[in-house]
Parts: sequence; structure tokens; C-alpha cells
Amino acid sequence: QQPVQSPQAVILREGEDAVINCSSSKALYSVHWYRQKHGEAPVFLMILLKGGEQKGHDKISASFNEKKQQSSLYLTASQLSYSGTYFCGTVALSGGYNKLIFGAGTRLAVHP
Amino acid sequence: GAGVSQSPSNKVTEKGKDVELRCDPISGHTALYWYRQSLGQGLEFLIYFQGNSAPDKSGLPSDRFSAERTGGSVSTLTIQRTQQEDSAVYLCASSQTGRETQYFGPGTRLLVL
Repeated sequence: QQPVQSPQAVILREGEDAVINCSSSKALYSVHWYRQKHGEAPVFLMILLKGGEQKGHDKISASFNEKKQQSSLYLTASQLSYSGTYFCGTVALSGGYNKLIFGAGTRLAVHP
Repeated sequence: GAGVSQSPSNKVTEKGKDVELRCDPISGHTALYWYRQSLGQGLEFLIYFQGNSAPDKSGLPSDRFSAERTGGSVSTLTIQRTQQEDSAVYLCASSQTGRETQYFGPGTRLLVL
């Protein structure tokens, strides 16, 4: 039931790109992306509600492939401030209530 | 309030004691979630409230854990007879109806000695 995130960890040099993937075994209503910096609470990045929807925020964007029940987070020209753990969360279409289940997270470290 | 607040921010207790953790969600948010996060680990779902009822308690680790929500607002997570493995950060989040953005509180860091 928990979405699967890959990779588990990424190490980048400043300016490099990265892709984080999230896949679910269930048909999805929405996918959420959050970032958590060390010692802080998770912070919302974006939510994707429709199949094929893509959203962008600065140089961070995401896509949602409803048919494949997958989402990808794209980090372009990474900055030091992008470091942290990225979590995807999914809300299934079925279930009768609105439960957001988080993946295990992807640790991203950006070095100068 | 402006955001989700939790209290206490830190709690140190002795094994076997009971603890109560409090969450004040954003005003008007009907959905409230409790998560547990051990050091370096992911977000472990504990319980979900819609209004005052909890349609999903499946994440509560044992019957030592319970939670309630009153007035569709404040929620309390109670851990009875605490064990060392209960040590973790307990995070609360709220959202408007449950399918939108979740806003997290700063968490309560619980240490059981």
C-alpha cells in the first residue's frame, strides 16, 4: 500500500539534475510531494490531481502518469538548498476516506 | 492559528509512564493526521481523523496508543506505559478536507529513558 520511491538516495553537485520516482500499486486520486530538511517538519512542494498533470515550482517540477500510477519529481539545476529528504504521498481512488500514505523517502544531498 | 502547533516540543519520560501529546490544527481543517518518525526514517502513519471520528486507526502500533479529537479541532495522542522503542518524533498534520495539502506541525520529540 505504501508507494515505492526510487532511488533511495542521490548525491549531486550544484547545478546537476535529478529525478525521483514514486509508484503505487493502487489507482490514485492524487500524488503529493514534500521535502523535509534535517530536524524540521516536512514542507509541501506540490500536489498533482489529474493524470498527466505537470506542475512546476521554480526549477522543481513533477508529472503524474495516472495510467501507470506513477509520479516523478524533477529537480533542475540543483541548488544547495534542495538538499533534504523528499517524500511522495499518495491518495488512493478507493477506500471511502482520504488517507495520504507516504513513501519511505529519497535523500538528496547537493554539494558545491 | 497561523499554522499547526504541537506541544510539548520535547518530552523526556521514564519507561512505563504515560504521555500525552497535543496537536492544534489549522482552524477550519477537518482532517487531522498523526505520524511517527524515528531517527533517519520515513513517516509512519498512525491515525487519521475526519472531524471527531477516526475512520482509520490502522497505524497505531499497539493498544498502548490511543488518540482522540474533540470539537473537530484539538487532538491528543496518548501513549500508555511508554517503552524505549516509542522514542521518536511525533508529527501532526492537518488539511482542509483530507485530499489537499497537508500542513505539518513542528513535531514533539519524545525520548523514553
